[in-house]
Amino acid sequence: DVKVTQSSRYLVKRTGEKVFLECVQDMDHENMFWYRQDPGLGLRLIYFSYDVKMKEKGDIPEGYSVSREKKERFSLILESASTNQTSMYLCASSFSNGPTVGDTQYFGPGTRLTVL
Amino acid sequence: AQSVSQHNHHVILSEAASLELGCNYSYGGTVNLFWYVQYPGQHLQLLLKYFSGDPLVKGIKGFEAEFIKSKFSFNLRKPSVQWSDTAEYFCAVESGGYQKVTFGTGTKLQVIP
Repeated sequence: DVKVTQSSRYLVKRTGEKVFLECVQDMDHENMFWYRQDPGLGLRLIYFSYDVKMKEKGDIPEGYSVSREKKERFSLILESASTNQTSMYLCASSFSNGPTVGDTQYFGPGTRLTVL
Repeated sequence: AQSVSQHNHHVILSEAASLELGCNYSYGGTVNLFWYVQYPGQHLQLLLKYFSGDPLVKGIKGFEAEFIKSKFSFNLRKPSVQWSDTAEYFCAVESGGYQKVTFGTGTKLQVIP
């Protein structure tokens, strides 16, 4: 079974703090993704990575950065947390079927982040 | 940019009723299509997917979806729902290269016993 784990299920931070969310997958997937899930808005892609040290902006990258130093680990960084970043954050990974074709994404359990 | 529309935000059905959830996307080129499901308290997981071939695809738990290219649609169907199908369903479209996937806003399905 593919396993995607996220470092925390629940996190509470203060405005202005630097926040690190970690994601680890154990299936040697090339692709990794960070989404935020908000009621009524579905999943919105923040960043994704198709290889180590490679990253691409998603639809809502502002206020976030990412790091992928190892294939199995993809970190999401909130440089200075704000209240509008309170959300559920989902990490996912997938195999690559070629340069432009992905495959099923496997999701982690999510981290519910509250910024006070 | 790709957009994905799920017309129904909240659907309530009785057990044994038939289900159809709509999904439309905007990009007219080559697409890969997915339906994901999130059961209460569980991870998002794949229900079914379409990459090519037969436009009628079958997934887990008796679900199926039909890709109609001319209508830019990929509607999800199940002939007879069960209480255990209560979940949130997301349509997703991969297009434009770089394996970027755009999700719809989701449909919450509540099945009443």
